[in-house]
Amino acid sequence: GNSVTQMEGPVTLSEEAFLTINCTYTATGYPSLFWYVQYPGEGLQLLLKATKADDKGSNKGFEATYRKETTSFHLEKGSVQVSDSAVYFCALSDQGNAGKSTFGDGTTLTVKP
Amino acid sequence: GAVVSQHPSWVICKSGTSVKIECRSLDFQATTMFWYRQFPKQSLMLMATSNEGSKATYEQGVEKDKFLINHASLTLSTLTVTSAHPEDSSFYICSAGAGRGINTGELFFGEGSRLTVL
Repeated sequence: GNSVTQMEGPVTLSEEAFLTINCTYTATGYPSLFWYVQYPGEGLQLLLKATKADDKGSNKGFEATYRKETTSFHLEKGSVQVSDSAVYFCALSDQGNAGKSTFGDGTTLTVKP
Repeated sequence: GAVVSQHPSWVICKSGTSVKIECRSLDFQATTMFWYRQFPKQSLMLMATSNEGSKATYEQGVEKDKFLINHASLTLSTLTVTSAHPEDSSFYICSAGAGRGINTGELFFGEGSRLTVL
């Protein structure tokens, strides 16, 4: 079956530091890959996505590249802000499975001023 | 576009009562909706998949008689927690897949509903 493994948290960084949150996956076929973000007390919202190998998803300064050879989709940001403090979830979806996704355990990021 | 809304966002009830949570797709038709449960500082646990006009598919270990799901229209799914007990207290989140984004598996999430059972 499908699975997603995320870097364990929590992660605490100072403002303007570089962020990497590792994500690796196992899947049959060719899944789409996602990063979702959950701010305190809220539901999840899509941060970025990639649908095929070598695609780079990007949004709000965050980037992740779909690496089929290493089955990875690591999230990066060059300079984090306090407002980036949230829980980040890596996820995959079989493209033929009507949106049913497999989620990682989530990584809590805290950015201190 | 692609907004999913949940209601209520917060509910407190007495043990033994039933609570209904609504999940609406506001600007698109959601043929499939998903219900999750999230414990503090933990990941999402998929409870069930609901398809418009048919019975929900429950994940292993989820009591279908306890968590009733109805998806009667393309814009509304409801989760009813029957005879709620304190251990049912949790954050419940819905998501929807739709024609928009469904080929990529992208999900649109509601804001979540926090249930506290006294």
